[in-house]
Amino acid sequence: KAGVTQTPRYLIKTRGQQVTLSCSPISGHRSVSWYQQTPGQGLQFLFEYFSETQRNKGNFPGRFSGRQFSNSRSEMNVSTLELGDSALYLCASSLQGSSYNSPLHFGNGTRLTVT
Amino acid sequence: GDSVTQMEGPVTLSEEAFLTINCTYTATGYPSLFWYVQYPGEGLQLLLKATKADDKGSNKGFEATYRKETTSFHLEKGSVQVSDSAVYFCALVHSTGGGNKLTFGTGTQLKVEL
Repeated sequence: KAGVTQTPRYLIKTRGQQVTLSCSPISGHRSVSWYQQTPGQGLQFLFEYFSETQRNKGNFPGRFSGRQFSNSRSEMNVSTLELGDSALYLCASSLQGSSYNSPLHFGNGTRLTVT
Repeated sequence: GDSVTQMEGPVTLSEEAFLTINCTYTATGYPSLFWYVQYPGEGLQLLLKATKADDKGSNKGFEATYRKETTSFHLEKGSVQVSDSAVYFCALVHSTGGGNKLTFGTGTQLKVEL
C-alpha cells in the first residue's frame, strides 16, 4: 500500500508569491491534516480536513488555506509569502477522524524556502 | 491551552546504553499521548501511544507509561542502537473533539555512537 505522498518535495519561492502544496493520503483514509515544522517553533498544527470539510484549525493567519477533494487528496495554499513561512510542511492522513484510535501516517514533507 | 515539554537535546549515548527522554504535558481532561520518531529526511512515524492513565505503550524496545499524577509520558529504552538515532517527539491529542489536532513537544534529537 502506498504511503502518504507529498508534492513537490522542494520549493523555492520569492516573498509576495503564493504557493500550493499537494498531499495524496493513503488509499481509504478520509482525514488529512497539515503541520508546519520549523527549528524555532517545532511542529504546529495548521488544519485538518475530513470528508472534504475543515474540522479543526490552528492559529495561523488567513494567508494559509486548504481544501480537500472528493478523492481525499488535499491541497494547502499560502498566499503573499513571507520569509518566516520557510519551513517543512508535513501532511498526515488517518483512516478515521481521530488519532487516538486511528494513527496518523505522515508524508515526507515539502520543504519550502522563501527568499 | 495544551502544551508538551520535552527535555532539550541533543542526547548523545553509546550503543547499548539506557535511554530516557522526559516528557511532561499540560492539558485539560484526559488526552491521549504519543511518541513519534523522525529519521533524517523523512516524515514522522508513530512509535507508541497510550490512551488512558497507567497505560503502557511499547514498540521496538521502547516503552512509555501514561502517568496522570505527574502528567508525564517519559520514553525509555533499555539498550539503544545506532539505528535509533533520530528526533523523538512527544505529543498529545484530546480523545473527544480533538480530531487530529496534535500538540507536539519541540523534539529531542538522539545520537547513538559506537
